Amino acid sequence: EPEVTQTPSHQVTQMGQEVILRCVPISNHLYFYWYRQILGQKVEFLVSFYNNEISEKSEIFDDQFSVERPDGSNFTLKIRSTKLEDSAMYFCASSRDLPPTEAFFGQGTRLTVV
Amino acid sequence: QQQVKQSPQSLIVQKGGISIINCAYENTAFDYFPWYQQFPGKGPALLIAIRPDVSEKKEGRFTISFNKSAKQFSLHIMDSQPGDSATYFCAASRPGTASKLTFGTGTRLQVTL
Repeated sequence: EPEVTQTPSHQVTQMGQEVILRCVPISNHLYFYWYRQILGQKVEFLVSFYNNEISEKSEIFDDQFSVERPDGSNFTLKIRSTKLEDSAMYFCASSRDLPPTEAFFGQGTRLTVV
Repeated sequence: QQQVKQSPQSLIVQKGGISIINCAYENTAFDYFPWYQQFPGKGPALLIAIRPDVSEKKEGRFTISFNKSAKQFSLHIMDSQPGDSATYFCAASRPGTASKLTFGTGTRLQVTL
């Protein structure tokens, strides 16, 4: 069964450093997303990406964040100058089409900023 | 107006019982209401979803009831099993927003023997 894969599963970084979280969406999917979940809280939308550009972003997704699809398979989230409050589980998701088709989530990358 | 309110925060149900989780929304533009199941250390996985043109959708032991006028929807898990123990999130999205899901706060379900 196709799945969204994310690497690394856990990333520890020092405050102020840059991190890149990587995702390989399902191959025939066209829409890509990043969500985050602070420990014990709800899942929050960060950004959606379609046709090589951002289609929508939340207020959380400020200039500190950027996304890129550097090749035909990877989808990355870059966080510049990390802060303690960036510590969270980051989920990549992809969908074949707009709702109501299913958005498939990866297993997540736990980012810990120390 | 973008919020989805979910209750209860946690739920303990005996094996074989019915688990009921409720969600309410304010934005009448929402037109897609999925429920996600999340096990520890895993990403959310779609369980069942409904659109507002129907009042109920059933898939196996899982049923969504939808009340458009009250702007509420609920998940019923019949014959709850220990393997159902997980966190459940309701969510909603607007048309044309490319799966920008607004999630509820989650319900941690524990099914006891």
